[in-house]
Amino acid sequence: QKEVEQDPGPLSVPEGAIVSLNCTYSNSAFQYFMWYRQYSRKGPELLMYTYSSGNKEDGRFTAQVDKSSKYISLFIRDSQPSDSATYLCAITYSSASKIIFGSGTRLSIRP
Amino acid sequence: DVKVTQSSRYLVKRTGEKVFLECVQDMDHENMFWYRQDPGLGLRLIYFSYDVKMKEKGDIPEGYSVSREKKERFSLILESASTNQTSMYLCASSSYSYEQYFGPGTRLTVT
Repeated sequence: QKEVEQDPGPLSVPEGAIVSLNCTYSNSAFQYFMWYRQYSRKGPELLMYTYSSGNKEDGRFTAQVDKSSKYISLFIRDSQPSDSATYLCAITYSSASKIIFGSGTRLSIRP
Repeated sequence: DVKVTQSSRYLVKRTGEKVFLECVQDMDHENMFWYRQDPGLGLRLIYFSYDVKMKEKGDIPEGYSVSREKKERFSLILESASTNQTSMYLCASSSYSYEQYFGPGTRLTVT
């Protein structure tokens, strides 16, 4: 079993829709949960991270962690064509441990 | 802004050649990483370094070696390139593992 699983998509939604991206993980010891965004022909960039459980909001983006079900989510409100990218979830045990990345979900926002 | 640069965006090499991929960061980060990214497999860690002259194997170190003689520079070496090493190579640096800053990537083709 992979340590983190992510649906590869692709996911295509109309502009303005709410987008939900999800990952599941296998080990309850993970403490940091991240979302990276990768535009075509670029390296990934950190979008948000959450320590332990709960929600974190940054503008149109909300990251959610449910440790009881080992489920992490990223919600994008009022989606824009500029949000079209591949989104990678990532997990790690501590601030000094290596990151384990999901395989990424390709998202396309239709104007 | 953190800047991570990689020596080449595109590289074509022949089987058996020795290949050097260079990465430089300008934020005085202790940690540096080399990943490869393949469709459906996500980001896989090859090697990482948490200090000058220190290195640790990642998940797929076979066929690769690294060098870190200066804090800002981390090199990935393919001793004898093979076709199964055709991939996108991404370098990253960080102070904390959950917040990694990536370079633009090098797309390596081995023929």
